[in-house]
Amino acid sequence: QQQVKQSPQSLIVQKGGISIINCAYENTAFDYFPWYQQFPGKGPALLIAIRPDVSEKKEGRFTISFNKSAKQFSLHIMDSQPGDSATYFCAAAEGATNKLIFGTGTLLAVQP
Amino acid sequence: DAGVTQSPTHLIKTRGQHVTLRCSPISGHKSVSWYQQVLGQGPQFIFQYYEKEERGRGNFPDRFSARQFPNYSSELNVNALLLGDSALYLCASSKNGQGHYGYTFGSGTRLTVV
Repeated sequence: QQQVKQSPQSLIVQKGGISIINCAYENTAFDYFPWYQQFPGKGPALLIAIRPDVSEKKEGRFTISFNKSAKQFSLHIMDSQPGDSATYFCAAAEGATNKLIFGTGTLLAVQP
Repeated sequence: DAGVTQSPTHLIKTRGQHVTLRCSPISGHKSVSWYQQVLGQGPQFIFQYYEKEERGRGNFPDRFSARQFPNYSSELNVNALLLGDSALYLCASSKNGQGHYGYTFGSGTRLTVV
């Protein structure tokens, strides 16, 4: 119940294309769903986050879509650029606890 | 402003040894959390400290311990190292006790156990 399942494991997208990464969860007590971007040799950096009371949040080229009934959420990267090539992690947290549960990560490669 | 600072950046230890990892949070941040990231996987929660008190503990053996100092810096200690402890250890800081809101991660300490 504490797992967050992420897919795909890896993704290759052409420059200018849309990158889509999906996550699913079971614990209905989760109330915070962030996405992190990690470059080699660096720690994860918060990209965008959403709470379950909204279905979509957009920040620049990054959009989170959230489906509460299906217990799924996804990250869309519009107009993908080579500089977006990194590992992306979805995560979830419950307000009563003090920990993030991370997905297994998606290695994104944007080809020029 | 300086980000979250971790030291050392890399180290190699032998099985059975002890290791201490250090973290300095962002100035003004009072909460520090530790995560273990095994190669190819997402980070896993180890501990959270706020105002020098433990606020959360993940599913790790008692060989793992941590503490937070009056200046809010933190140490993670691992005793009796196993090969499986080889990982990137990440420290994250946040302003308040709700650790997962507004986390900033450091670049981590890469621990290799041989």
